[in-house]
This record gives sequence, C-alpha cells and structure tokens, in this order.
Amino acid sequence: DAGVIQSPRHEVTEMGQEVTLRCKPISGHNSLFWYRQTMMRGLELLIYFNNNVPIDDSGMPEDRFSAKMPNASFSTLKIQPSEPRDSAVYFCASSRGLTQETQYFGPGTRLLVL
Amino acid sequence: QKEVEQDPGPLSVPEGAIVSLNCTYSNSAFQYFMWYRQYSRKGPELLMYTYSSGNKEDGRFTAQVDKSSKYISLFIRDSQPSDSATYLCAIRDRSNDYKLSFGAGTTVTVRA
Repeated sequence: DAGVIQSPRHEVTEMGQEVTLRCKPISGHNSLFWYRQTMMRGLELLIYFNNNVPIDDSGMPEDRFSAKMPNASFSTLKIQPSEPRDSAVYFCASSRGLTQETQYFGPGTRLLVL
Repeated sequence: QKEVEQDPGPLSVPEGAIVSLNCTYSNSAFQYFMWYRQYSRKGPELLMYTYSSGNKEDGRFTAQVDKSSKYISLFIRDSQPSDSATYLCAIRDRSNDYKLSFGAGTTVTVRA
C-alpha cells in the first residue's frame, strides 16, 4: 500500500506568490489532517477533514491559508500570498476515522519563502 | 503553558545504552498517549500508543504512563544507531478524539 503522498517535496518561492501543496491520503482513509512543523512551534494541526468535509480549521494561522478536499483521494493547502514566516515543513496525515489512534503521515513538503 | 511539555534535548548515548524520554501534560482529560518517531527529513510514524496507566512493551520499547502525575515516558533498551531520530509524544483527550497535541520532540543520537 502506497502511503500518504505529498507533492511537491520541496518548494522555494518568493514572498507574495501563491503556493499550493497537494496530498493524496491512503485509500480507504476517511480523515485527513494538515500539519505544519517548525523549530520554534513544533508540529501544529492546521485543519482536518472527515469524509471530505472540513471539521475544524481553528489552527489555520490566517486568511491567507485555505484548504480543500474535493474528493476522498485529494486535498490541497493553499497559501496566498505567501510570506517568509510561512517557511516550514507541511505534513499531510490520514487515518481510517477521526477516532482512530493511528494517523499516517506523508513525507512532507519543505517550503521556503524568500 | 503548552499542553504537552517535552525536553527537546538533544540526547546522545552510546550504542547499547538505555534511552529514557519523557513528557508532561496539563490536561487531565487526556486519554490516549502515543509516541511517534521521526527520522530526519521524513514524516512522523507511530511507534506506540496506550490509553491506560502502567507499562506497555513492544520489543526493545516500553511506554509508561502515570496519569496521577500526568507524566509519560518512553524507554529504549539496547539502543542501536538506527534508533537515532526525533521522538515526539502525542496526547489526545476524550472530548477531541481526533486532535493530537504534540510535544516538541526529543532528538536522540545513538553513537556506534
């Protein structure tokens, strides 16, 4: 079984540009989570979906961040406009359901905003 | 105060030593306790989870939970260079089953 797939793996962009991160969860998993990891703040939950519906986006830092899940096999996290402080590793994770203990993480997208 | 506190280390031990990692938490509603391992430039992977006080063993790994003290530990026996990674504790409360609160992570290096 191919794990959670994220693309791109690395992204370097200039301040003000739009950034779109993509995630394909594990087939059959109903819940999807977007996290951000930085040295200063550690691993933070940004938003999560259950059955393609956003459940809680209270972790999204600003209106510049948005996430969608148009179907069970695809989700995007968009930053527009990007700022240098958005530089971080963004992880997508999926699980069979919201109450499942095991979240499976993707390899992450390393974002650098210059 | 963060919900989950974890000393970021780093921790360096010789091969074969016992590695001891720990976290403290503040929310007594926390019910599920997990340890994730994250290799450099990889995503975290679940190592162990438990939901009760006491010890849980899995090979060389032992997870320990003391709910009365709000303290959890992970012990790695006979540590190997392949155990070199960052270990994150993650805790979930009964009212927000889906939200994990992560510790900062402790970076461990096992020297050959």
